[in-house]
Formats: sequence, structure tokens, C-alpha cells
Amino acid sequence: KQEVTQIPAALSVPEGENLVLNCSFTDSAIYNLQWFRQDPGKGLTSLLLIQSSQREQTSGRLNASLDKSSGRSTLYIAASQPGDSATYLCAVMIMEYGNKLVFGAGTILRVKS
Amino acid sequence: DVKVTQSSRYLVKRTGEKVFLECVQDMDHENMFWYRQDPGLGLRLIYFSYDVKMKEKGDIPEGYSVSREKKERFSLILESASTNQTSMYLCASSLGRAGEIETQYFGPGTRLLVL
Repeated sequence: KQEVTQIPAALSVPEGENLVLNCSFTDSAIYNLQWFRQDPGKGLTSLLLIQSSQREQTSGRLNASLDKSSGRSTLYIAASQPGDSATYLCAVMIMEYGNKLVFGAGTILRVKS
Repeated sequence: DVKVTQSSRYLVKRTGEKVFLECVQDMDHENMFWYRQDPGLGLRLIYFSYDVKMKEKGDIPEGYSVSREKKERFSLILESASTNQTSMYLCASSLGRAGEIETQYFGPGTRLLVL
């Protein structure tokens, strides 16, 4: 059964710092991996999607990498801002009927001004 | 832009009540999903549907049922609400067509409190 783990569970950094969030998964048979952002009490917003054949994706200050063979992904946030404060969730889409997502528990990020 | 809407942002119900959570998507997506989210546990799949009137159990279906009478609408039903069903409920939809990049789009969530 696919399991997704995110480390750290929480992170507090000063504004301007570059940071890395980590995600690991147990089964490399995935369609894709996504990083989501969730603000308190709100739904999820997709940040980056990496197809299983890709190694990385970039959007603005965000860069996500995927190493399928080792079951790892990282989300790199450059020059962090207080507006980046949120919960970041990693999810893998598994090769199973229904294109289901399996989520990690998330990393709560706080960027201090 | 894909839009997924949920009927309520906040609900307070009593133990034993029948509860309906409604979800509507406007992008002609084939697949729809219901998750619950609890602190430290992430999102867990309750049920999903890949077509009208079709449904499949997810990882935690006990105590829940679903209905999909129309393609755009997917309802989650708590037949007899219990306090351990207090949670944030999130609906999602995805295209579900072969050859297309597949991602799920989420609604804003319904925070349910069962007293």
C-alpha cells in the first residue's frame, strides 16, 4: 500500500530564507506527484505537478523535483515571504483504478517578517 | 477555470442526524472524490465516482454513503452522524480521460461539527 511521508511536520523561517520541504513515497509506480498549498480553513490549491517521466517543474519562486527510483520529491521555495505561510501537501497519483491521490500529512510553514 | 463548489462552509449537526454534503463541478469532469481531513492524518479518501450512478469505496467508507445522479453533482451522506465524523470534508474532481494530464481540483471544504 502506498504511503506518503512529509518532513518536517512544521517549519518556521525568517523572511527571505530559501527552504526545502521533503516528501517520500513507498511505491514508485505513480502517474504523477503534486504539491498543493492549503491556507487555514480553506481548500487545496495545486502548485506544481510532475509527471512520472519528468524530473522537475518550476513556477516562479517554486521548484519541485522528483526522483522516482528513490521515492523522493522536494519542494524548494526561494526567497520566502510571509504570504508563503500555509500548509504544503504532497500527493502521489497511483496506478490504480480511479486515478486516486495518496496524500502526506503536510508541512505547516510559517514565514516570519 | 475549473470550479468546484460545496454547499456549506460550516455545519453543526447532532448525533444521529442524517447529513448531506453536496458538491458541484462545472467542467464536465468524469471523476469526483470525497475526502476527510484530520490534523496529523492528511487527506483520506472516503468514496469516489468515475461516472454517473457509479461509485467506489475509498480507504475509509464506513459510516458514509454517496450519490451521483448527475455528472456534475456528487453527494456525501452521513446516515447517522457520530462525533467521530467531526472533520473537514473536501470534494474534488478530475478530468478522467485517457491521454490527458490528470490532476484533481478541490472545493473550499465543509467543516462539520457533530455534537
